[in-house]
Amino acid sequence: GAGVSQSPSNKVTEKGKDVELRCDPISGHTALYWYRQSLGQGLEFLIYFQGNSAPDKSGLPSDRFSAERTGGSVSTLTIQRTQQEDSAVYLCASSLGGGLQETQYFGPGTRLLVL
Amino acid sequence: AQSVTQLDSQVPVFEEAPVELRCNYSSSVSVYLFWYVQYPNQGLQLLLKYLSGSTLVKGINGFEAEFNKSQTSFHLRKPSVHISDTAEYFCAVSGGGGSQGNLIFGKGTKLSVKP
Repeated sequence: GAGVSQSPSNKVTEKGKDVELRCDPISGHTALYWYRQSLGQGLEFLIYFQGNSAPDKSGLPSDRFSAERTGGSVSTLTIQRTQQEDSAVYLCASSLGGGLQETQYFGPGTRLLVL
Repeated sequence: AQSVTQLDSQVPVFEEAPVELRCNYSSSVSVYLFWYVQYPNQGLQLLLKYLSGSTLVKGINGFEAEFNKSQTSFHLRKPSVHISDTAEYFCAVSGGGGSQGNLIFGKGTKLSVKP
């Protein structure tokens, strides 16, 4: 079946512009996660959605970052007023449930470059 | 706070040789442990996970890992590697009281298999 998909695969933007990154989770998965992968910091958790519960935003690095999940499916990560340090690969993952033992299935990522 | 330490950032090895990728975690409570693999320009794929029970866990592609609670380790092993195993490997932990389901990752180990 279809895995997690993300778009765009690559995004180049200028400093100060806003960007939107999209994630389509595996159908039927109730939990959705966003991570950021950068050379200096490795893989960092950003935000977690589980069903209709309030999202866990504890990993968002600043208030320029926000995310929403519509209809319990597609999610959009928005970065406002991008900075060069936002350059990274943004990975989305989904899992069947939100339990700690669940396997997370990752998308291929969106590579963001801020000039 | 939980943390995961992967002791080797790079491991070069010849084809058909055995390999061990080391991972240590810090948590005083029960956690779940995972190994993921990332091939170039792809997302992460689960190799194996430890939830409970037998401390020796077998995964895909001939990999296995052993959970050692007293040493807080979860080292990944393969008795004979192939060129196709060249990738980056990430150890991750969930649970431990600090998260709602997101994974805490190590910095990764780049395995380079040479002919």
